[in-house]
Parts: sequence; structure tokens; C-alpha cells
Amino acid sequence: DAMVIQNPRYQVTQFGKPVTLSCSQTLNHNVMYWYQQKSSQAPKLLFHYYDKDFNNEADTPDNFQSRRPNTSFCFLDIRSPGLGDAAMYLCATSREGGPYEQYFGPGTRLTVT
Amino acid sequence: QQQVKQSPQSLIVQKGGISIINCAYENTAFDYFPWYQQFPGKGPALLIAIRPDVSEKKEGRFTISFNKSAKQFSLHIMDSQPGDSATYFCAASMGGNQFYFGTGTSLTVIP
Repeated sequence: DAMVIQNPRYQVTQFGKPVTLSCSQTLNHNVMYWYQQKSSQAPKLLFHYYDKDFNNEADTPDNFQSRRPNTSFCFLDIRSPGLGDAAMYLCATSREGGPYEQYFGPGTRLTVT
Repeated sequence: QQQVKQSPQSLIVQKGGISIINCAYENTAFDYFPWYQQFPGKGPALLIAIRPDVSEKKEGRFTISFNKSAKQFSLHIMDSQPGDSATYFCAASMGGNQFYFGTGTSLTVIP
């Protein structure tokens, strides 16, 4: 089945220690998104790609970076995680030109100790 | 600034009852309004969506009512079931792929 896969599902990192979350998709969608979702809150868009065209939300901290080496894969790098970065990180994809449905992965739960 | 306002924050409904969740928006440029359902530990999944040129859309037990002049839209779940217990997010999009989510409603359906 075509899907959005996120690895790992659970990640524990130490305060200040860089961490990378990964997302892959078999849907061949050219738009990919990263959202941050804290407990009992709405998903908050961090950035998105139209193909390799990177779009950063104005309020996304510089601590968050992203890479998209090809259509199928996208990575979220947190350079120096703080306690406030503990959250669920959701990857989503959609076709370009929308509005089209966004397909979400299961998320990565990040814990910062 | 919250682009889409959602209420209530939580909702408890008896099995067989009607669940109603409301959302409001300000930006008239929004042209697509989806509802997402999220179970614990899972990513959101599209439930139903509507465009502003229609006032109502129904899919099974789920109905979106849309009031363009009031800039409001709502989700109605008829004959609510315990399996409907989840968090529901409304969202709005303008001209493509950028979505703004409401703050979510935690629905509990009591058997």
C-alpha cells in the first residue's frame, strides 16, 4: 500500500544533542510537509517542499532544518534540541496544485531529557 | 494569530447521539475546508472536506455544514459510535497546499 513512513516512531535525545527524524513516501507526491504537534494542540507547520523548493514558515526556529535529497525522502534536523522541542513530529505529503488531501505519517514522538 | 478557531475543546456524547464541532475563520481567501480525525499515536487522516461553493456535504454519518457569509463551518456526526472517539481538527487552505489547523476537539462517545 502506498503510504507515508516515519522513522523512528519514538526518539529520545539529550538536551542539546542533534537529532534527525526521517520520512519516506511511496505516493510519489511532490509536496512534503513537516509539522510539530504538542500535546492537545493543533499541528503547526514548520516547513514544506514543492519538489526541492523549500518553504520555511516565518516563525520556525533556526534550530530546525530540513533536507529533501529526492522525491521520496525528507529529513528533519533539530540542531540543538531544547526541552520545549519535545513533541510529536508529523510528516505529510500531497500532490501539487491543490487543494489536495494531505496524507500524514504516524509521527515520531520526540522526548528530550 | 489563530487563523481557524475551533470549539468546543472537548465533547462527550452518548452512543447514538449527534456530535457537533464548530469552526470559524476570518480570511475569505480560504477555499478548501477539510476535517481530520486523529486517533492517539496516529497521524491525522482526512475525514471529509468541502469547498465554499456548496453549503453542505454528506458522507455516511458525517456532514459538513458551511456558512460562507458567517465564515463558519461545522462537522456533524450522526449516530455517534464509541469508535468515533478521537480528536477532530478542522482546517482551512487557500489556493493550494498550505493548511491552517484548528486547535482540535477531543470527542468521547459513551456506550
